[in-house]
Amino acid sequence: GAVVSQHPSWVICKSGTSVKIECRSLDFQATTMFWYRQFPKQSLMLMATSNEGSKATYEQGVEKDKFLINHASLTLSTLTVTSAHPEDSSFYICSARDTAASYNEQFFGPGTRLTVL
Amino acid sequence: AQTVTQSQPEMSVQEAETVTLSCTYDTSESDYYLFWYKQPPSRQMILVIRQEAYKQQNATENRFSVNFQKAAKSFSLKISDSQLGDAAMYFCAYRSAWDSNYQLIWGAGTKLIIKP
Repeated sequence: GAVVSQHPSWVICKSGTSVKIECRSLDFQATTMFWYRQFPKQSLMLMATSNEGSKATYEQGVEKDKFLINHASLTLSTLTVTSAHPEDSSFYICSARDTAASYNEQFFGPGTRLTVL
Repeated sequence: AQTVTQSQPEMSVQEAETVTLSCTYDTSESDYYLFWYKQPPSRQMILVIRQEAYKQQNATENRFSVNFQKAAKSFSLKISDSQLGDAAMYFCAYRSAWDSNYQLIWGAGTKLIIKP
């Protein structure tokens, strides 16, 4: 199946700094990528949907200025957590839609664990 | 708006036995897709099985099968011959056939414990 990578797999940062997470589709072009947040023992919460070359569409309650999403190419989307605070600590997962796959299937990255001190 | 409900926070089963995970959903649409995803301790989401709403035949993938009851809006997952590697969180998800963004709507998840 198609492979999606995320980098870094984990990151620890100080409060007030910004952190960038990369999501890459390795062997397919992804017109659409999704960013999720997952708290311990909970389900995935969709943060935003990004289409290549367009501004991301954020879910209600997600701060656009705090979680900056860029989808500049068909294989790369980035999530930047600006001025991170301890409450931003979480597990962030990206997925990419493979338009060539059956049923436009989403393929998921392995996730990034963010800890803000 | 569509919703997905998984009423079993946790299930346990003896190795080699069969277990069924429940999922119900609410929608007014007639055309949609349903999925079961597995999230093992590694946190990597893996697609287990999918079902198209317009197909009456229940989907099957090796030891995994679903019981899709469209009128009842029920979509349960049966795991036969449970193995230790099946231990994971299992999420049920819905996707509208009309959503141009192909977004998934997720259930809360069921933690599956396999007893050796």
